[in-house]
Amino acid sequence: DQQVKQNSPSLSVQEGRISILNCDYTNSMFDYFLWYKKYPAEGPTFLISISSIKDKNEDGRFTVFLNKSAKHLSLHIVPSQPGDSAVYFCAASSNSGGSNYKLTFGKGTLLTVNP
Amino acid sequence: GEEVAQTPKHLVRGEGQKAKLYCAPIKGHSYVFWYQQVLKNEFKFLISFQNENVFDETGMPKERFSAKCLPNSPCSLEIQATKLEDSAVYFCASSQSRAGYTFGSGTRLTVV
Repeated sequence: DQQVKQNSPSLSVQEGRISILNCDYTNSMFDYFLWYKKYPAEGPTFLISISSIKDKNEDGRFTVFLNKSAKHLSLHIVPSQPGDSAVYFCAASSNSGGSNYKLTFGKGTLLTVNP
Repeated sequence: GEEVAQTPKHLVRGEGQKAKLYCAPIKGHSYVFWYQQVLKNEFKFLISFQNENVFDETGMPKERFSAKCLPNSPCSLEIQATKLEDSAVYFCASSQSRAGYTFGSGTRLTVV
């Protein structure tokens, strides 16, 4: 069963506009969420994270929103730039049962920002 | 250094041969993780270490996969008798906290 779902395999937006990437999860034990960006032939790079005690976290052009009741989070990128074109992965972890920060990933969303 | 170093970048093995991948975590990071990414899909967790101790190996195909993290040596992931289905990119990551998770650039294993 897929515990972290990114239902949009791809998203295309115009430069300067907002990109919204969505992620849903099923495991109510998840209490920490991260977004990673990945370019081809590179490892994922950390973008932004949010703890379940918050509903919003902002870092420059990137904002993550968490709706715990809906088990849904989203990443907003404003304004979008061509260099943001990459695959974005949503990931979640649980602090219970000694899980020691093991991440469960979604399948990713390919974001293309058109000049 | 501040990067997770994985070697080699590419590895080609004939079916049935052994493959060994290496990972040097960031100094000071207590946790090391191995993930497998097949066909650009989601990352599958394999195993984690806290220092040199196995913490969670629930993702490891135990018959053929093994891993170690010994003091003063790179961590390693070894696959005995590789199969075609083992072809994937293997990522190592290290962390000291939940927010400090850093990935290496991966080793692409191709089994022919």
